[in-house]
Amino acid sequence: DTGVSQNPRHKITKRGQNVTFRCDPISEHNRLYWYRQTLGQGPEFLTYFQNEAQLEKSRLLSDRFSAERPKGSFSTLEIQRTEQGDSAMYLCASSKGQGESEQYFGPGTRLTVT
Amino acid sequence: KQEVTQIPAALSVPEGENLVLNCSFTDSAIYNLQWFRQDPGKGLTSLLLIQSSQREQTSGRLNASLDKSSGRSTLYIAASQPGDSATYLCAVIKNSGAGSYQLTFGKGTKLSVIP
Repeated sequence: DTGVSQNPRHKITKRGQNVTFRCDPISEHNRLYWYRQTLGQGPEFLTYFQNEAQLEKSRLLSDRFSAERPKGSFSTLEIQRTEQGDSAMYLCASSKGQGESEQYFGPGTRLTVT
Repeated sequence: KQEVTQIPAALSVPEGENLVLNCSFTDSAIYNLQWFRQDPGKGLTSLLLIQSSQREQTSGRLNASLDKSSGRSTLYIAASQPGDSATYLCAVIKNSGAGSYQLTFGKGTKLSVIP
């Protein structure tokens, strides 16, 4: 059990560019969550996958954001036409079994939009 | 809408002191409550998960309690050490009704333990 991994750990991009982040959950965890955390705030829910199905998206997830989990394993989060307001830490978490089970977080991807 | 509040926002204590961090939530219809630790610029480390049917959980020097009816939880840290310095986040788990059991977080308490 190697834990949740995320890549890249840091990303600096210019406004208007597209970026993609990857999350590898703990193996056999069927539930995968994306959260966003801005400075001084707690993480906020973005979207949720159960296996390969995206079952819920937050209102925070604008049309410029898209997430996939093609084979029910790793997940990607893409942001198109990045804006300075997208600068944040993007966190991925996974869990297994019952929905209310403990969620395990990755180290996050820090995005800076200049 | 569920709101989670953590008091105090920051706390500084001398090494060896016992301390209590507070968390309150507005909607008592939760499944579980989870406490996390976050070091600067890092991800979240799960410390304790309390199921809604439980009153408390213990792990080493940490003890977390849950009073679901009053919407409160506390995290007790015994004999604090400089290595305990971090931000502590409280989060509640609720079924959103759309299939997810998303976490709703407070803003955290930043703890500094002075040697």
